[in-house]
Amino acid sequence: DGGITQSPKYLFRKEGQNVTLSCEQNLNHDAMYWYRQDPGQGLRLIYYSQIVNDFQKGDIAEGYSVSREKKESFPLTVTSAQKNPTAFYLCASSIGTSGSDEQFFGPGTRLTVL
Amino acid sequence: GQNIDQPTEMTATEGAIVQINCTYQTSGFNGLFWYQQHAGEAPTFLSYNVLDGLEEKGRFSSFLSRSKGYSYLLLKELQMKDSASYLCAVVDSNYQLIWGAGTKLIIKP
Repeated sequence: DGGITQSPKYLFRKEGQNVTLSCEQNLNHDAMYWYRQDPGQGLRLIYYSQIVNDFQKGDIAEGYSVSREKKESFPLTVTSAQKNPTAFYLCASSIGTSGSDEQFFGPGTRLTVL
Repeated sequence: GQNIDQPTEMTATEGAIVQINCTYQTSGFNGLFWYQQHAGEAPTFLSYNVLDGLEEKGRFSSFLSRSKGYSYLLLKELQMKDSASYLCAVVDSNYQLIWGAGTKLIIKP
């Protein structure tokens, strides 16, 4: 089955620790995205990648980092510099690099900072 | 700035019809998406409109008026499983997606 997976589903972190969220897709999609979702707000773009070994900052990239070493994988690291990291994180992919392409979402990771 | 407005919450009755509105002010327009998101789950694609008019897909229809900066999602024959948030997103002139905050739809028996 083709799809996009994220792990873990729930993640707890102590303040001051870095944590990496996994995102894998086997849809052969070129573009991948990371969003953050907070209650009462729309999805906010953290980073996106249109091709392997290249990625761009989104609207709220501060305190986050990504890599795109393989087409299938786009991990997100939440660093200790992110002031308010508790949120629901969604990874998505699309077949093309245009914003007009449908995005397919993973199940999400809920990160809680203790 | 760029802005997308949707009602925060709506309530409807099982079997009825509900219309969820979305108005937008963006730098350019290259299409509008509607996604459905059940609580704690991933958003799933419902529709994409780039031209004016109504597009029907089963119980769901989506309408777009570019001149008015307005879209709506129409849900017919409501079922309990339609209880979810409905997200409106606009593709701007840079082909970036701008997301609304979503409308939480509550279906009552």
